[in-house]
Amino acid sequence: EVQLVESGGGLVKPGGSLRLSCAASGFTFSSYSMAWVRQAAGKGLEWVSSISSRGSSTYYAESVRGRFTISRDYAKNSLYLQMNGLRAEDTAMYFCVRDEGRFPYLYWGQGTLVTVSS
Amino acid sequence: EIVLTQSPGTLSLSPGERATLSCRASQSISGNSLGWYQQKPGQAPRLLIYGASTRATGIPDRFSGGGSGTDFTLTISRLEPEDFVLYYCQQYGSSPWTFGQGTKVEVK
Repeated sequence: EVQLVESGGGLVKPGGSLRLSCAASGFTFSSYSMAWVRQAAGKGLEWVSSISSRGSSTYYAESVRGRFTISRDYAKNSLYLQMNGLRAEDTAMYFCVRDEGRFPYLYWGQGTLVTVSS
Repeated sequence: EIVLTQSPGTLSLSPGERATLSCRASQSISGNSLGWYQQKPGQAPRLLIYGASTRATGIPDRFSGGGSGTDFTLTISRLEPEDFVLYYCQQYGSSPWTFGQGTKVEVK
């Protein structure tokens, strides 16, 4: 069974940093691209970042480029999102998803909440 | 990027009625690469439809998708009590993948 479990969310001040983690299991982690999708409270869904199966290619939404860094650890079957220079508008639930390529997101984690507030 | 506009924002219907949700794209979506998700409160989205019209595994046949190009629909033939939640469309034909803003189906 595919499982994605996020952690690392919390309350942080504007300008601060946070590192999100996603522990993956139930599939061959190295065979899939992975991504982060976020959802502000009462709002829609927004793709944030993706990383290729080999980790050689990374992609970012314009809203986070230059501030967020996606990475992965094959030994730990884990995905990460390093978030620096956080802003109030980054406040959202962050979901880890398995990227199926040209296919919608079939597997989602339960999400981890990031709140940016002074 | 492709902007997806869902309408209506809220759909007020009764159990047993038919629901028709719309998703309009700012430009044609290649390969009809359009999906629909259902999201219940406090949960992650669940994939209902992919390729505009193919039901995902385990999705009841009261859910159906249609459309092509820039105009797509999700139809729920007979609303069950558990269907009164949020629905999102997503295009995965052009990078970056984008989502609509959602349609809430509520009990009338």
